[in-house]
Amino acid sequence: KAGVTQTPRYLIKTRGQQVTLSCSPISGHRSVSWYQQTPGQGLQFLFEYFSETQRNKGNFPGRFSGRQFSNSRSEMNVSTLELGDSALYLCASSPEGDYGYTFGSGTRLTVV
Amino acid sequence: AQTVTQSQPEMSVQEAETVTLSCTYDTSESDYYLFWYKQPPSRQMILVIRQEAYKQQNATENRFSVNFQKAAKSFSLKISDSQLGDAAMYFCAYRRRWGSQGNLIFGKGTKLSVKP
Repeated sequence: KAGVTQTPRYLIKTRGQQVTLSCSPISGHRSVSWYQQTPGQGLQFLFEYFSETQRNKGNFPGRFSGRQFSNSRSEMNVSTLELGDSALYLCASSPEGDYGYTFGSGTRLTVV
Repeated sequence: AQTVTQSQPEMSVQEAETVTLSCTYDTSESDYYLFWYKQPPSRQMILVIRQEAYKQQNATENRFSVNFQKAAKSFSLKISDSQLGDAAMYFCAYRRRWGSQGNLIFGKGTKLSVKP
């Protein structure tokens, strides 16, 4: 059974650019969550999608957005990148009604 | 708001020995989940063990067990017979049980080193 797949693994972007990260959940998992991990702030919740609807959102500016497709794959987008957006972005999926989240290996974003 | 605190930034254990990682949390809710995740250098967060707050029995998974003290809001992880592969960052996490608007709230983590 394939795990949670995140692409790309590494990304380097310039300030002001935008970026799109992708997450493919475990087959059958309809809930996808995104987290940002930095040395200073630790792990912070970005948003959660279920059946193509955002049902929970963390305290991040509007530059951070996401979506989920009918096959449960999810993307998150960050516009007008800032140096502080450099982080490891983790995606997690879970089946409905079960909170045993399975995480992907993350996308390491570096903004220069 | 719920918070999770891990007071030990770093811990060290000798191979084959036992180590306990501490976690406390704050919540006004009575029903919730608690988790321990392991994050090795490969970056993937791996679920080690989970505990449902309504269950009084402490969860156990092979060499990993927890000491869940609900009244004290304490949730420690004991690793027995430590192995070199146990070296990683360990994160304690909380999630409310009810309601769709729940998400994991993480502690800052404890870096565990295992000495051969």
